[in-house]
Amino acid sequence: GDSVTQMEGPVTLSEEACLTINCTYTATGYPSLFWYVQYPGEGLQLLLKATKADDKGSNKGFEATYRKETTSFHLEKGSVQVSDSAVYFCALSGRNTDKLIFGTGTRLQVFP
Amino acid sequence: GAGVSQSPRYKVTKRGQDVALRCDPISGHVSLYWYRQALGQGPEFLTYFNYEAQQDKSGLPNDRFSAERPEGSISTLTIQRTEQRDSAMYRCASSLGSRRTSNTGELFFGEGSRLTVL
Repeated sequence: GDSVTQMEGPVTLSEEACLTINCTYTATGYPSLFWYVQYPGEGLQLLLKATKADDKGSNKGFEATYRKETTSFHLEKGSVQVSDSAVYFCALSGRNTDKLIFGTGTRLQVFP
Repeated sequence: GAGVSQSPRYKVTKRGQDVALRCDPISGHVSLYWYRQALGQGPEFLTYFNYEAQQDKSGLPNDRFSAERPEGSISTLTIQRTEQRDSAMYRCASSLGSRRTSNTGELFFGEGSRLTVL
């Protein structure tokens, strides 16, 4: 069945460092891909998405590119802030459903 | 309210008791989803509804778990004869559910109901 694999955390960075969180997927057909973020004490919220190959999703300085050839959707940010500290979830949905399949999440800790 | 509302936020119960978790989705959202999230894991799909119809219940772990959405709005997830392994965060999400828009896959999550079974 469809699945998502993302790098284990925690990822610990200093402020202004570069971030990459790896995500790869297994799916039949052409899924849509997402990054959701969970800030401390809050529910999950959509960070960015891409619905077809080579699309780039971006939001709040974060980017991820849908790479069909490598079945990947890595999350990147050039300069992280303390306020980016959260848990990040990679997810996919099939073509005919909004049902999401999530990865296990990666905790990001950014220190001043 | 403007967002997805879940209640109770915290529930502690003894093994063998039944629990009911409630979800009030965003007004006008067609689709409603239930997920379970264990500590340190990603959300795991349980079931979802379009309007009042349960479209997929393949994620419900066993027949102690059931869900309903009788009027196509508020939903209840019921766990009968709870066991310690049922302890988790239960998350509800809703979406517009329209295939005509670009909102594919954007689920709006509530803050969750944390269940502890003693």
